[in-house]
Amino acid sequence: AQSVTQPDIHITVSEGASLELRCNYSYGATPYLFWYVQSPGQGLQLLLKYFSGDTLVQGIKGFEAEFKRSQSSFNLRKPSVHWSDAAEYFCAVGPYSGGGADGLTFGKGTHLIIQP
Amino acid sequence: DTAVSQTPKYLVTQMGNDKSIKCEQNLGHDTMYWYKQDSKKFLKIMFSYNNKELIINETVPNRFSPKSPDKAHLNLHINSLELGDSAVYFCASSLTGSYNEQFFGPGTRLTVL
Repeated sequence: AQSVTQPDIHITVSEGASLELRCNYSYGATPYLFWYVQSPGQGLQLLLKYFSGDTLVQGIKGFEAEFKRSQSSFNLRKPSVHWSDAAEYFCAVGPYSGGGADGLTFGKGTHLIIQP
Repeated sequence: DTAVSQTPKYLVTQMGNDKSIKCEQNLGHDTMYWYKQDSKKFLKIMFSYNNKELIINETVPNRFSPKSPDKAHLNLHINSLELGDSAVYFCASSLTGSYNEQFFGPGTRLTVL
């Protein structure tokens, strides 16, 4: 069965500093990989996704992520964080069961705190 | 112009009651999902429907019964509520295809007393 590991439960970063959130996955085939962000009391919003092609993908809000097959990783990065980036970040892998109407398998999330 | 909406946003009820959560999407998607987010923020797929047909039914107690009257709606009915059902329930939708973005609703926070 597939799984997603986000090793950092909490990360604190100073405003303006760079950010990297880690994600490792376990999946038997070529995965589709996603990063979602959840602001307090809100639903999830897609930041970016990878399913083929260039292994460095650009997303919204200045985020990027790099797919490294050899390391089974899909780390999220941002060169300079803003206070509004404080949120919960989820890495996810799909498809869940190989079909086209699959859910995603989510990691447990990383809570990002921004220090002034 | 809400994309995926859920009602109610908050639901507080007693153990043993039956309750429903409604979900509607106006994105023209043909696949809809229910996820459960527990108190530790862990998100887990419960059900997915494609063109009103159940595709995924995870190891969810049969007290939970999804119903999709049409492609734009996916409701979740829960019988005999238990304390452990307390969670945030998210509805999502997408086009068919696992690489497609899933759009999430704002969530329904269910509290069982």
